[in-house]
Amino acid sequence: EVQLVESGGGLVQPGGSLRLSCAASGFTFSSYEMNWVRQAPGKGLEWVSYISSSGSTIYYADSVKGRFTISRDNAKNSLYLQMNSLRAEDTAVYYCARVVRGVPGYWGQGTLVTVSS
Amino acid sequence: VIWMTQSPSLLSASTGDRVTISCRMSQGISSYLAWYQQKPGKAPELLIYAASTLQSGVPSRFSGSGSGTDFTLTISCLQSEDFATYYCQQYYSFPWTFGQGTKVEIK
Repeated sequence: EVQLVESGGGLVQPGGSLRLSCAASGFTFSSYEMNWVRQAPGKGLEWVSYISSSGSTIYYADSVKGRFTISRDNAKNSLYLQMNSLRAEDTAVYYCARVVRGVPGYWGQGTLVTVSS
Repeated sequence: VIWMTQSPSLLSASTGDRVTISCRMSQGISSYLAWYQQKPGKAPELLIYAASTLQSGVPSRFSGSGSGTDFTLTISCLQSEDFATYYCQQYYSFPWTFGQGTKVEIK
């Protein structure tokens, strides 16, 4: 069974940093592209970042480019999102999602990031 | 950036109704469109990809159609478990974008 478990969320002050992790199990992690998608409280879904199976291809949403860094460790079956220079508008539940048929097909339960002083 | 207009934002319906949700793109995306269902407090679930292909395990009352710029999600006979929020998403080009969402509520 595919399982994705996010961790690392919490309360952080504006301008601060946070590193999210996503532990994958139930599939060959190194074979799949991964994404981060977020959802602000009461709002819709926003794609954040994509990383290819090898980590060689990466894309970001304009709203996080230059501040967030996606990475993966295939030996540890883990996906990461390093978030720097956090802003109030980054407050959201962050989901990691595995690609299925080209789209985010399996999602974790999410981890809440709150940026507030 | 490919912009998406999803409508309606709110849909009131009764069990047994046939409902349709529309998604319009700012430019053509062939069939690179997916639909998701999200229930409160839960992660989204993939319903349809490639505009019309049902994800494994999704009931056949869900169907998708369209290509290019105009797409539709149809629920043929609304069940109680279908009351949720639905999102379209294009994956034709990065940045991937989602529609604003359609909340299907009980009439």
